[in-house]
Amino acid sequence: KNQVEQSPQSLIILEGKNCTLQCNYTVSPFSNLRWYKQDTGRGPVSLTIMTFSENTKSNGRYTATLDADTKQSSLHITASQLSDSASYICVVSADGGATNKLIFGTGTLLAVQP
Amino acid sequence: DTGVSQNPRHKITKRGQNVTFRCDPISEHNRLYWYRQTLGQGPEFLTYFQNEAQLEKSRLLSDRFSAERPKGSFSTLEIQRTEQGDSAMYLCASSQDYDEQYFGPGTRLTVT
Repeated sequence: KNQVEQSPQSLIILEGKNCTLQCNYTVSPFSNLRWYKQDTGRGPVSLTIMTFSENTKSNGRYTATLDADTKQSSLHITASQLSDSASYICVVSADGGATNKLIFGTGTLLAVQP
Repeated sequence: DTGVSQNPRHKITKRGQNVTFRCDPISEHNRLYWYRQTLGQGPEFLTYFQNEAQLEKSRLLSDRFSAERPKGSFSTLEIQRTEQGDSAMYLCASSQDYDEQYFGPGTRLTVT
């Protein structure tokens, strides 16, 4: 069964600190992996997207890594800001063909406190 | 604003009533997707359209659910005889072929 698991489920950090979120997946065939940020009551917004051959991708203070052999990914946030408080969702594209269907993890809820 | 828009943003309805949601995708996108997201969970795929053709439906999409995209532009998702278990955020996304999906803000449905 195609699955995407994330940890931790929730995380509280102080403003200015760094944090790392984890994602493990069992999805085949693998097409790409994305990290989305979802603010409360809003739709997800893409942060990074990585294909099989990429092992790191940065977007400002966000850096994603991908190990396709172990089927693990991480999202590192540096110098956190209050606006980083959101749910971060790991999403794997299960099929690069006709459907391009996305398999979503349950997300990590991040709270950045002053 | 050229992003994906959804209406209404919030809908409260009584059990047994019918509801309809609308999604307006990014204008040049040929694919449109519907997802459902319950509290604390990631979105789950419901169905998608390529232009006006509905190409795939999830098993989550019961007979009470119907989606249309009559002219290959906006789409509607109708739920008939709503149940409390239908309470969720309904997300719409659009893409150009296999490119990245852009999500709308969602419609939050509460069935009382």
